[in-house]
Amino acid sequence: AQRVTQPEKLLSVFKGAPVELKCNYSYSGSPELFWYVQYSRQRLQLLLRHISRESIKGFTADLNKGETSFHLKKPFAQEEDSAMYYCALSTDGGATNKLIFGTGTLLAVQP
Amino acid sequence: ETGVTQSPTHLIKTRGQQVTLRCSSQSGHNTVSWYQQALGQGPQFIFQYYREEENGRGNFPPRFSGLQFPNYSSELNVNALELDDSALYLCASSLLLSGSVEQFFGPGTRLTVL
Repeated sequence: AQRVTQPEKLLSVFKGAPVELKCNYSYSGSPELFWYVQYSRQRLQLLLRHISRESIKGFTADLNKGETSFHLKKPFAQEEDSAMYYCALSTDGGATNKLIFGTGTLLAVQP
Repeated sequence: ETGVTQSPTHLIKTRGQQVTLRCSSQSGHNTVSWYQQALGQGPQFIFQYYREEENGRGNFPPRFSGLQFPNYSSELNVNALELDDSALYLCASSLLLSGSVEQFFGPGTRLTVL
């Protein structure tokens, strides 16, 4: 079954500390992975996608097909990074843009 | 360019009733997807409409149905409401060409079934 697992419901770090939000997926084909973010009182929005291989707001994520992971990393957390983060998987090559989401990780950056 | 809007913001219904939720896609987008987000869970794909035709469906029963109109608006209809249908319903629009593209989400409609 196609699935996305985010093992941590809550990750609390201090400002300036490194952050790693974990995401593992289950899919035997060629996946497309995304990170979506939801800031307080805002709508869900795309943070980054693995095919772009870019850094957004200091965040990066590398697709590791061997470990079926797509962890989100940032070397120095900022208070404004506090938000709900969802990892999402697309498996149909863009035919429908159907996304399979994980349960999300709430990142809390303490001052 | 305006964003994705949804109405109503909140809705309370009783078991067995029917409900219609509305979404206005971003101008120029030819695809709208609907997701159900239960409390503490990630969004779950219900179905997608592309150029007014259903183009993919998740694991939801037929009492969940939809419509997409030429004016970038769309509807999600749920018949015979059950208590478990209580959730946040999100619509997301995108321009489907080839390859996965960014989906733009609306703020959601919070449905409570009593």
